[in-house]
Amino acid sequence: ELKVEQNPLFLSMQEGKNYTIYCNYSTTSDRLYWYRQDPGKSLESLFVLLSNGAVKQEGRLMASLDTKARLSTLHITAAVHDLSATYFCAVENTGGFKTIFGAGTRLFVKA
Amino acid sequence: DTEVTQTPKHLVMGMTNKKSLKCEQHMGHRAMYWYKQKAKKPPELMFVYSYEKLSINESVPSRFSPECPNSSLLNLHLHALQPEDSALYLCASSQGLGYEQYFGPGTRLTVT
Repeated sequence: ELKVEQNPLFLSMQEGKNYTIYCNYSTTSDRLYWYRQDPGKSLESLFVLLSNGAVKQEGRLMASLDTKARLSTLHITAAVHDLSATYFCAVENTGGFKTIFGAGTRLFVKA
Repeated sequence: DTEVTQTPKHLVMGMTNKKSLKCEQHMGHRAMYWYKQKAKKPPELMFVYSYEKLSINESVPSRFSPECPNSSLLNLHLHALQPEDSALYLCASSQGLGYEQYFGPGTRLTVT
């Protein structure tokens, strides 16, 4: 059974600082997603990672995937208040087409 | 058109009511999904349709009944719900199974 673990679950950081969110999963996977969710809103797709060693960057966010370690990271560079949100990783199980979400990381960036 | 729309945005219903949630996309996607999300929790997959056929049913109680009348439209029929069914219901679509999913804004459901 595919399980997805995210940590930390809550992160409070100062503006200008760097930090990394980790996403571990338990079985092989075809693809991994990162989403952002603002309070009361829907999910916004940030990154889709398809292969080992994939790295994608958008603004202050960079995501990477290590399929051998079954680990993805979301790195935040020089955080700003607007990045405050909940970030989910989600993993699609091989051949089953089910997407399993991590518990989410609630990020709060203090001005 | 690159969005998924959902109606209504909010719904309050009693436990004896029958209501329906509607989801629509015009991106030519052939897979559509229903998720349930409780407060401060991740989305949980409920149903998956592929080419208008039900592909995945995650052991959802029969008081939730999905319907996919055509490739652009997905409904979720609700009957005799319980207060614990109160949640944000998210619809998503993708080009096909195994492709990136695009989420609608959700329907916030309250069962009284």
